[in-house]
Amino acid sequence: EVQLVESGGGLVQPGGSLRLSCAASGFTFSDHYMDWVRQAPGKGLEWVGRTRNKANSYSTEYAASVNGRFTISRDDSKNSLSLQMNTLKTEDTAVYYCARSSSTRDFDSWGQGTLVTVSS
Amino acid sequence: DIQLTQSPSFLSASVGDRVTITCRASQGISSYLAWYQQKPGKAPELLIYAVSTLQSGVPSRFSGSGSGTEFTLTISSLQPEDFATYYCQQLIGYPITFGQGTRLEI
Repeated sequence: EVQLVESGGGLVQPGGSLRLSCAASGFTFSDHYMDWVRQAPGKGLEWVGRTRNKANSYSTEYAASVNGRFTISRDDSKNSLSLQMNTLKTEDTAVYYCARSSSTRDFDSWGQGTLVTVSS
Repeated sequence: DIQLTQSPSFLSASVGDRVTITCRASQGISSYLAWYQQKPGKAPELLIYAVSTLQSGVPSRFSGSGSGTEFTLTISSLQPEDFATYYCQQLIGYPITFGQGTRLEI
């Protein structure tokens, strides 16, 4: 069974940093692109960014709203995905989901999400 | 960026109804269109990918169609568990974008 479990959310002040993790199991993690998606309270889904697999040089893509502030990384030896978030803004407050990208690049498995609150 | 506009944003329906949700893209996205269902407090779940292919385990009352810039999600006979919010998503280019969502309520 595919499982994705996020952790690391919490309350942080504007300008602060936070690192989210996503522990993957039940599939060959190293084969897959992985994504982060967020959802502000009461709002819709917003794609945050993607990391490709080793075969594609672990290259990354980011939404403009987080580019330069957020960094996605992965450790295939630990089946782990991370999202380093720096210079956080109040508008970054959201539930953050990690998601597995399928062979057709849609998101076929999601974690349960972790809440990040940016507030003074 | 490719914008996705869903209509309607809110839909009230009854068990047994047939409902259709439309997703319009600001430019052609070929077949790189997926649909997700999200229930309150839960993560989204993939329903349909590549416009019309049902994800494993998804009931056959769900179907997707369309091409180019206009796509539809149809639920042939609403069941109580189908009342949720639905999102379309384009995957042809970056940034990956979602529609604003359609909230389906009883």
